[in-house]
Amino acid sequence: QVQLVQSGAEVKKPGSSVKVSCKASGGTFSSYAINWVRQAPGQGLEWMGGIIPMFGTANYAQRFQGRVTITADESTSTAYMELSSLRSEDTAVYYCARDLNWGQGTQVTVSS
Amino acid sequence: NFMLTQPHSVSESPGKTVTISCTGSGGSIASNYVQWYQQRPGSAPTTVIYEGNQRPSGVPDRFSGSIDSSSNSASLTISGLKTEDEADYYCQSYDDNALQVFGGGTKLTVL
Repeated sequence: QVQLVQSGAEVKKPGSSVKVSCKASGGTFSSYAINWVRQAPGQGLEWMGGIIPMFGTANYAQRFQGRVTITADESTSTAYMELSSLRSEDTAVYYCARDLNWGQGTQVTVSS
Repeated sequence: NFMLTQPHSVSESPGKTVTISCTGSGGSIASNYVQWYQQRPGSAPTTVIYEGNQRPSGVPDRFSGSIDSSSNSASLTISGLKTEDEADYYCQSYDDNALQVFGGGTKLTVL
């Protein structure tokens, strides 16, 4: 059974960046896509982008193009999502998901 | 742009059957697999249906998924409703560029 464990909550200033990690255990890391999904308070799920570690190239939702970078480190079975130029509207819970499994979520709060 | 539209909310009584729809626009819903996710308040989503009608291990067979090409929609059906089924449900599929698309979510109330 695959487990995805994400890094802890973050509080960031507007204009800064945040980098969230997602460590996978169990199963084969390299050949499955890892996706990042966010959920603003009281809102639905929103796909941000994803990566297949063995290929190394990420795909991004158009609205996040230029602001999000998704990477994967096969040596540690860890995926990362970095979001830059943060604004208050980026306050959300950020999830990683792989195959049928989801991480526990990481709360990111953007506040001055 | 490919979009998925779900009803905002549905409600049904315990023991009954409920169906949640997910209607595609801007493309054919039958072109790609549809997944369904359950999200209870304060918790991460979990997968209840993948590849249209497959259940992950541990998901009871009260949950089933289907596709109707004629209405360009997917459906999640939950039979023998239990109070523990009360949650938000999201459908998800892919656009022509293989990018993920989510429906807006449906709040299921079991009363």
